[in-house]
Amino acid sequence: EVQLLESGGGLAQPGGSLRLSCAVSGFTFSDYAMNWVRQAPGKGLEWVSSISGSGGSIYYGDSVKGRFTISRDNAKNTVYLQMSSLRAEDTAIYYCAKERRVVRGVFFDYWGQGSLVTVSS
Amino acid sequence: DIQMTQSPSSLSASVGDRVTITCRASQSIGSYLNWYRHQPGKAPKLLIYAATSLQSGVPSRFSGSGSGTDFTLTISSLQPEDFATYYCQQSYGTQITFGPGTKVDIK
Repeated sequence: EVQLLESGGGLAQPGGSLRLSCAVSGFTFSDYAMNWVRQAPGKGLEWVSSISGSGGSIYYGDSVKGRFTISRDNAKNTVYLQMSSLRAEDTAIYYCAKERRVVRGVFFDYWGQGSLVTVSS
Repeated sequence: DIQMTQSPSSLSASVGDRVTITCRASQSIGSYLNWYRHQPGKAPKLLIYAATSLQSGVPSRFSGSGSGTDFTLTISSLQPEDFATYYCQQSYGTQITFGPGTKVDIK
């Protein structure tokens, strides 16, 4: 059974930092890219970042570029999101999601339950 | 970046109704379009990938159609668990984007 479990969320001050972790099981972790997707209160889903299975290809959404860093440890089956220079608008539930790639695109077939990040003074 | 729009933004329906949601891309994205259902307090669930392919384990009442810029998600007979928000998502470029969502609630 595929499982994704996020941790590390909580309260952070504006300008502060926080690191999210997502521990996975049930599939060969290093074979798949992983992503972070967030949902701000009352808003829709927003893609944040992706990292390839090897960690060699990384992409970010425009709203977090230069402030967030995605990484992974394939020995620990864990993907991370280091969030710095946090802003109030980063307040959201952060989901990690397993990526599956087919000929006609990329989609997220498994998701974690989410980790709440609140940025407030 | 490719922008996604959805219509309607919300709708009211009854159990057993046929529901259609539309998603439009700001440029042609071929079939690089996926659909998710998101129930409050739960993780989003993949329904349809590559515009028309039903994800394994998803009931056959869900179907997808379209290509290029215009896409449709159809629920043939709405069930209680289908009262939720539905999102389309494109993966044509390196910047993945979601539509703004369509909320389906009980009439």
